Amino acid sequence: DAKTTQPNSMESNEEEPVHLPCNHSTISGTDYIHWYRQLPSQGPEYVIHGLTSNVNNRMASLAIAEDRKSSTLILHRATLRDAAVYYCILRVIYGGSQGNLIFGKGTKLSVKP
Amino acid sequence: NAGVTQTPKFQVLKTGQSMTLQCAQDMNHEYMSWYRQDPGMGLRLIHYSVGAGITDQGEVPNGYNVSRSTTEDFPLRLLSAAPSQTSVYFCASSEPDRGRPYEQYFGPGTRLTVT
Repeated sequence: DAKTTQPNSMESNEEEPVHLPCNHSTISGTDYIHWYRQLPSQGPEYVIHGLTSNVNNRMASLAIAEDRKSSTLILHRATLRDAAVYYCILRVIYGGSQGNLIFGKGTKLSVKP
Repeated sequence: NAGVTQTPKFQVLKTGQSMTLQCAQDMNHEYMSWYRQDPGMGLRLIHYSVGAGITDQGEVPNGYNVSRSTTEDFPLRLLSAAPSQTSVYFCASSEPDRGRPYEQYFGPGTRLTVT
């Protein structure tokens, strides 16, 4: 299975942008890049996903390298509510069936007031 | 919509006991899955289902059974609880893949302790 590598932890100041990196050097051409986050004592929640182009939504932006071997989740203005574990996940497609999400350990983001 | 609901929220079992963790979703999602999360770890896939009557094993299926008789429900059965099954269990669901990626919705989790 394709794997991802993320820093164990990162710190940010409130109201500043945060760039969370992810390496996925073994990604294949049809693998989608998903980001989920998990707030304390909650289930994970979807943040964003992309294939090749950069993506924006109301929560975050996803910047994907041209060779697709890395990506960066961008939170434009961190708030205290953004303190969570962020997971970068490759959704692997097997023969046209649904791809399961393979979670790593993620990056624990701390936000300082 | 209630989304994905899980019961119970907390459970303590003795070694060797059996129990069923309930999961239900009201979004008419075909895909449902069960994960476990051990302290300081990411989630690991136990079993999943791509539709009623169809289930398959994930990464860590031993000691667990599932069935999918309806679209809405996907119960997880612990056959004979062991201390190694102490974990937080999450159920998730998503729309089916029609050539495009999907977003998984997770339940709030069941915290299980086996003594």
